[in-house]
Amino acid sequence: GENVEQHPSTLSVQEGDSAVIKCTYSDSASNYFPWYKQELGKGPQLIIDIRSNVGEKKDQRIAVTLNKTAKHFSLHITETQPEDSAVYFCAANYGGSQGNLIFGKGTKLSVKP
Amino acid sequence: DAGVIQSPRHEVTEMGQEVTLRCKPISGHNSLFWYRQTMMRGLELLIYFNNNVPIDDSGMPEDRFSAKMPNASFSTLKIQPSEPRDSAVYFCASRTEVWGYTFGSGTRLTVV
Repeated sequence: GENVEQHPSTLSVQEGDSAVIKCTYSDSASNYFPWYKQELGKGPQLIIDIRSNVGEKKDQRIAVTLNKTAKHFSLHITETQPEDSAVYFCAANYGGSQGNLIFGKGTKLSVKP
Repeated sequence: DAGVIQSPRHEVTEMGQEVTLRCKPISGHNSLFWYRQTMMRGLELLIYFNNNVPIDDSGMPEDRFSAKMPNASFSTLKIQPSEPRDSAVYFCASRTEVWGYTFGSGTRLTVV
């Protein structure tokens, strides 16, 4: 069935360094790839997304890249800050443009001051 | 906009008791999802509704779980009887289209 693999499961970086989280997906029809940030005690919150007609999207310190041929996409956070510490989830839609999301298992990012 | 509202935020119950979780989606969103989150399995989709109609409940673990959406502004997830392995955080999310998912703050359920 459809699947989204996410790596690494945990990531620890020093403040100011970059962090990269990678995901792969299985459904070749997927065309929407959002990233969610979940802080302790809260629900996941959308931080950035990318659609299959673009290969890269940037919003201040965060960026996403997409390689449709290889079926993988990545989240890049530059100049990390302690408040970036959270669990990050990638997701991909399945079942076409109106389909639902399937989520990766999450990456716990810790940014050490 | 108050976002997706879930209640209660925390629920502790004894094994065998009935548990009802509640969700109010964002006004105008026509799809609603119930997810369960655990350390071992991550975010699992339990069931989703389009225009108040259940579309896919294949993620509901057992007959002990049931969900309803009597109108566009309210949904419930019921577990009867509850078991310790049901302990998890349950999230409700709503959307207008696939790229509009908004999650609630979740209900942390502990079954002792």
